[in-house]
Amino acid sequence: ETGVTQSPTHLIKTRGQQVTLRCSSQSGHNTVSWYQQALGQGPQFIFQYYREEENGRGNFPPRFSGLQFPNYSSELNVNALELDDSALYLCASSVRGGGGEQYFGPGTRLTVT
Amino acid sequence: EDQVTQSPEALRLQEGESSSLNCSYTVSGLRGLFWYRQDPGKGPEFLFTLYSAGEEKEKERLKATLTKKESFLHITAPKPEDSATYLCARGGGFKTIFGAGTRLFVKA
Repeated sequence: ETGVTQSPTHLIKTRGQQVTLRCSSQSGHNTVSWYQQALGQGPQFIFQYYREEENGRGNFPPRFSGLQFPNYSSELNVNALELDDSALYLCASSVRGGGGEQYFGPGTRLTVT
Repeated sequence: EDQVTQSPEALRLQEGESSSLNCSYTVSGLRGLFWYRQDPGKGPEFLFTLYSAGEEKEKERLKATLTKKESFLHITAPKPEDSATYLCARGGGFKTIFGAGTRLFVKA
């Protein structure tokens, strides 16, 4: 069974640029959620995708957007990067209608300078 | 607004010194209370799900319990390898809300 994978591992961008982060969900999982985790904080929910549609969104501006593909993999896109976007971005996969537990990837460390 | 509050922020134990971590959560609309372990620079690792008051689950030296307003993660005779951040999370609808975590340090 393949776990959740994310790419890239680390990324350095300049303020105002755009970035795309990628996630492959765990085999058999149909739902993907994205989280932002600042240093010393818990993960903050960005949005969730199910059947290629956004299923719910946290308190993040529209410049945070995403996609889910037919194979359940997903992308997180962030436009007009700001310094405060520097964080660990986590992808989690789960089974809709399951127990609610999520399985996380290793994360992408984004640094905005 | 749904909230999850964890205490203490940090906990330093000697190897073998048992203790408990606390998680307080918003009760309304709860669909599962989750515990995760997170090692530095890695994604959270799922540990337990609890659904109803009185429920308990165990895994090795860890035991999670749930009351109507709180959850506890009990660590019995911890070892240095138990050092990590332990995250509590509240499920409700599509959204999972995490606490800030308790950073546990176990010294040999």
